[in-house]
Amino acid sequence: DAKTTQPTSMDCAEGRAANLPCNHSTISGNEYVYWYRQIHSQGPQYIIHGLKNNETNEMASLIITEDRKSSTLILPHATLRDTAVYYCIVRVEDRDDKIIFGKGTRLHILP
Amino acid sequence: DTGVSQDPRHKITKRGQNVTFRCDPISEHNRLYWYRQTLGQGPEFLTYFQNEAQLEKSRLLSDRFSAERPKGSFSTLEIQRTEQGDSAMYLCASSPPLAGTGSYGYTFGSGTRLTVV
Repeated sequence: DAKTTQPTSMDCAEGRAANLPCNHSTISGNEYVYWYRQIHSQGPQYIIHGLKNNETNEMASLIITEDRKSSTLILPHATLRDTAVYYCIVRVEDRDDKIIFGKGTRLHILP
Repeated sequence: DTGVSQDPRHKITKRGQNVTFRCDPISEHNRLYWYRQTLGQGPEFLTYFQNEAQLEKSRLLSDRFSAERPKGSFSTLEIQRTEQGDSAMYLCASSPPLAGTGSYGYTFGSGTRLTVV
């Protein structure tokens, strides 16, 4: 799987949009961008994934650049409960294989 | 099903003792994964089952580690002769059969935190 690069940590004020960037310059044509988050003392939780079109669900939006070399996860109205480590992963969808996690971005939502 | 269950949530053991953890996946999920996570790091892959077959093992899974999924349902991870370096969170995840039309990824349990003293 392709590697990703994420900032180590970010702060965001409560109620504002949190924009988490991810670089994946070596992504292959059949690899999707997945985002997971891990709240303290819990297992990682799936957020969203996409191939090349922007995606939105009840949790977040995913914006993928046209060249697919980077993406941004957007939490539109961050709350204190969004404080977590966010992992950006690229992998082939439905591949019968393991997910490889990096260190992710530690997002602090400030009151 | 309420999700992936792991037992126990916390385990403190003395160095040299054996420990066993249990994972109950979501019932219709045929794939089961074990990960280990140390402080400040992302989860590291240990091993993977499809039904009862163990299909892949990481080099992190030394001879002291063994995992089983005898009936393709729950799984156990045993660590023999524990060492202080085994102290970590052990996470289990499961996922459904390949659908071909889109996967929502894994569902993780809350993990078992092992402390070796």
